Amino acid sequence: DAMVIQNPRYQVTQFGKPVTLSCSQTLNHNVMYWYQQKSSQAPKLLFHYYDKDFNNEADTPDNFQSRRPNTSFCFLDIRSPGLGDAAMYLCATSRDQGRTEAFFGQGTRLTVV
Amino acid sequence: DQQVKQNSPSLSVQEGRISILNCDYTNSMFDYFLWYKKYPAEGPTFLISISSIKDKNEDGRFTVFLNKSAKHLSLHIVPSQPGDSAVYFCAAMEYGNKLVFGAGTILRVKS
Repeated sequence: DAMVIQNPRYQVTQFGKPVTLSCSQTLNHNVMYWYQQKSSQAPKLLFHYYDKDFNNEADTPDNFQSRRPNTSFCFLDIRSPGLGDAAMYLCATSRDQGRTEAFFGQGTRLTVV
Repeated sequence: DQQVKQNSPSLSVQEGRISILNCDYTNSMFDYFLWYKKYPAEGPTFLISISSIKDKNEDGRFTVFLNKSAKHLSLHIVPSQPGDSAVYFCAAMEYGNKLVFGAGTILRVKS
């Protein structure tokens, strides 16, 4: 009974071809996060939603967009993937902002060819 | 600018012994700290946390120590088991703000 589900687990996309990664949660948490993790590096926060409020990190490229149509779902759109966007993308949720743990999905491994 | 640093990329420990994973941070506004464990091909799973008002938190074999003056925390696993072999991420949070991660330490527990 997975609580944060990411689809697909592995995604191969062509250079410059838009791609969407999806995340769903059964926890009814207010906050949903998208992290990018490259090999041997710390997961890097791209943006997060607190309910419907979108919070973009200052250094997240414009190439990355997100949508949260309802509490359960959140999408990461990469408008024109470059080779440097190949990474593991992690979705996480937390009940609230503040002193509470985040729950992660299994991640989507994105390959750009 | 790395606000959370895990300076040991890897650690190897014999089964039954203590594993000590270290983490340093630079932002004095961080007031909540977490450790996550990650197996290959899986997402990180929450392990243990500590608030800045405490200096120790214990959960079974796992204990986290916080030294605010040194801006240092550590995770102790005792006794270490082969199933503990994974990547361990330290993370820190400023109230109402984002979770910032370190780069992780690979722990190998040898049987």
